[in-house]
Amino acid sequence: GDSVTQTEGLVTLTEGLPVMLNCTYQTIYSNPFLFWYVQHLNESPRLLLKSFTDNKRTEHQGFHATLHKSSSSFHLQKSSAQLSDSALYYCALTNSGTYQRFGTGTKLQVVP
Amino acid sequence: NAGVIQTPRHKVTGKGQEATLWCEPISGHSAVFWYRQTIVQGLEFLTYFRNQAPIDDSGMPKERFSAQMPNQSHSTLKIQSTQPQDSAVYLCASSLDDGGAQGYAEQFFGPGTRLTVL
Repeated sequence: GDSVTQTEGLVTLTEGLPVMLNCTYQTIYSNPFLFWYVQHLNESPRLLLKSFTDNKRTEHQGFHATLHKSSSSFHLQKSSAQLSDSALYYCALTNSGTYQRFGTGTKLQVVP
Repeated sequence: NAGVIQTPRHKVTGKGQEATLWCEPISGHSAVFWYRQTIVQGLEFLTYFRNQAPIDDSGMPKERFSAQMPNQSHSTLKIQSTQPQDSAVYLCASSLDDGGAQGYAEQFFGPGTRLTVL
């Protein structure tokens, strides 16, 4: 079945450094939809980015990700981390006719 | 649009008691999902409904958990004989579709119910 693998555990970055959270997926379908959700402390997950177009960069709120079907990846990036980016990030996968599969989540901690 | 509504926000039960959690999805959304979230396990899928019909409950612990969606405006998750390991935040989410023809099945999450089993 479909599955998503993310950078495990906690990623700690100094403010101002670039962010990269890894997400790879497995699916037998050729047209997957990939999502990144962000969950701040004491809040619920909300959509950050989504894409289904191969090799097209998607951006929102300073974050960007590019779906690469050749490597089954959808890494989340940001050029300069801010303290407010500290949160839990989930990568998710869906295919037409199925529900979303979420990865285990990556906790990003940005420190001064 | 009030978003997904979940009640209660917090629930404390004694071991062995029953807990019923409520979810009101966003009006017009055809898919409703239940998740359990803990620090250790992260976001765990429990079950989901499409147009009120149960589609997949593969994540549900079989013996004590059950979910229903009696109408399009609410769903319930019932846990019988609660155990301390059931303590978690239970999240309900809804989406416009569940990934069918459109594919962009963005899920909108409710605020969650924090269940504490003593």
